[in-house]
Amino acid sequence: LAKTTQPISMDSYEGQEVNITCSHNNIATNDYITWYQQFPSQGPRFIIQGYKTKVTNEVASLFIPADRKSSTLSLPRVSLSDTAVYYCLVDSGYSTLTFGKGTMLLVSP
Amino acid sequence: KAGVTQTPRYLIKTRGQQVTLSCSPISGHRSVSWYQQTPGQGLQFLFEYFSETQRNKGNFPGRFSGRQFSNSRSEMNVSTLELGDSALYLCASSLGSGQGAPPLHFGNGTRLTVT
Repeated sequence: LAKTTQPISMDSYEGQEVNITCSHNNIATNDYITWYQQFPSQGPRFIIQGYKTKVTNEVASLFIPADRKSSTLSLPRVSLSDTAVYYCLVDSGYSTLTFGKGTMLLVSP
Repeated sequence: KAGVTQTPRYLIKTRGQQVTLSCSPISGHRSVSWYQQTPGQGLQFLFEYFSETQRNKGNFPGRFSGRQFSNSRSEMNVSTLELGDSALYLCASSLGSGQGAPPLHFGNGTRLTVT
């Protein structure tokens, strides 16, 4: 299973754009990159998924370079409610996700 | 569309007892997987069921077992509880098949405390 590496924590202020980068050097051809968000005492929530280049939805963008060895989750104009743990995962589609420690994002006023 | 429902929300048990946790997936989802979350180990995969068959299993002892019913609802059982089994148990459902990697939809978990 491909292992991911992402920063343990990040700090930001309301209204700023936050970029969280994840490395996954051993990603396989059939793997997707998926990001989840988790608040305390809740289950993770799916944010975005991509295979290559750029994916955008109503809450985030995901940038994946051509070699797919890394990816960057971009959260535009964060608010206090975006304070959470963000997990980057390499997903082969078998529902057996390997979660790392994630990135604790703290958004301050 | 209703989300993933897990019951009970909280549970307190004594060492040596057994416990059964329940999960109702999103309608139409055929895959149900279970995860254990603890402060020390983070989120760890327990097992996954698809169409009533265990399709994948994580690295947990045989005390942890599960099953899936014909309506896709799933139960997880832990026998001979140990203090270290105290954790948040999360259930997730997905389409489980098809192109790509269908995202998982998690419930809010069952908080199990073993005393």
